[in-house]
Amino acid sequence: QSALTQPASVSGSPGQSIIISCTGSSSDVGGHKFVSWFQQHPGKVPKLMIFDVTRRPSGISDRFSGSKSGNTASLTISGLQTEDEADYYCASYASGSTLVIFGGGTKLTVL
Amino acid sequence: EVQLVESGGGLVKPGGSLRLSCEASGFTFSTYSMNWVRQAPGKGLEWVSSVSGSSTYIYYGDSMKGRFTISRDNARNSLYLQMNSLRAEDTAVYYCVREYYDSSGYSIGAFDYWGQGTLVTVSS
Repeated sequence: QSALTQPASVSGSPGQSIIISCTGSSSDVGGHKFVSWFQQHPGKVPKLMIFDVTRRPSGISDRFSGSKSGNTASLTISGLQTEDEADYYCASYASGSTLVIFGGGTKLTVL
Repeated sequence: EVQLVESGGGLVKPGGSLRLSCEASGFTFSTYSMNWVRQAPGKGLEWVSSVSGSSTYIYYGDSMKGRFTISRDNARNSLYLQMNSLRAEDTAVYYCVREYYDSSGYSIGAFDYWGQGTLVTVSS
């Protein structure tokens, strides 16, 4: 199974909102609720930001929100802050030959 | 405090083998599904393998099937990954990760705790 499709890069100014998309198929993103988002700063370990499409782990700011429409999931970051600059990855359960697939990652630049 | 500490990485020749270990602490290890996720230098994340709490369910990524074996020892709070027939493209940092679980059940792919990773380099 191929990786989920994410834009290579997105950018925004402090205070703005941005959306990162994650496109798959009915066998993964579109077929169930198991979609997660991770944030990774350079040289750091990935951090879970969103799971089950819309749920936030304890301690994650409500500026981060998730949604899904059809085979595309989205991560919205509102009130952009400089510390949000990082790589973001989506992941989904996949009902095929593999269990979990990741997106290729999106580099967020806060201008 | 949840801690995951990997070990066992290193330099290995193509075709060689390596066994990674992950020691867990700070939570009831046997309750949680555990996974390995890898990241090649400068590249994205790739899911490797998963094992359920009682080892009943085991899954592998397509390129790992037949070469990698995941296992766990709940008495030792430890997770393992035996890697055989290693290839240059297996070069990566390998992370031990815990899968989220609460009263609603498991959330596949929701990796809430990550170790610091151990680097595996496959090169002649």
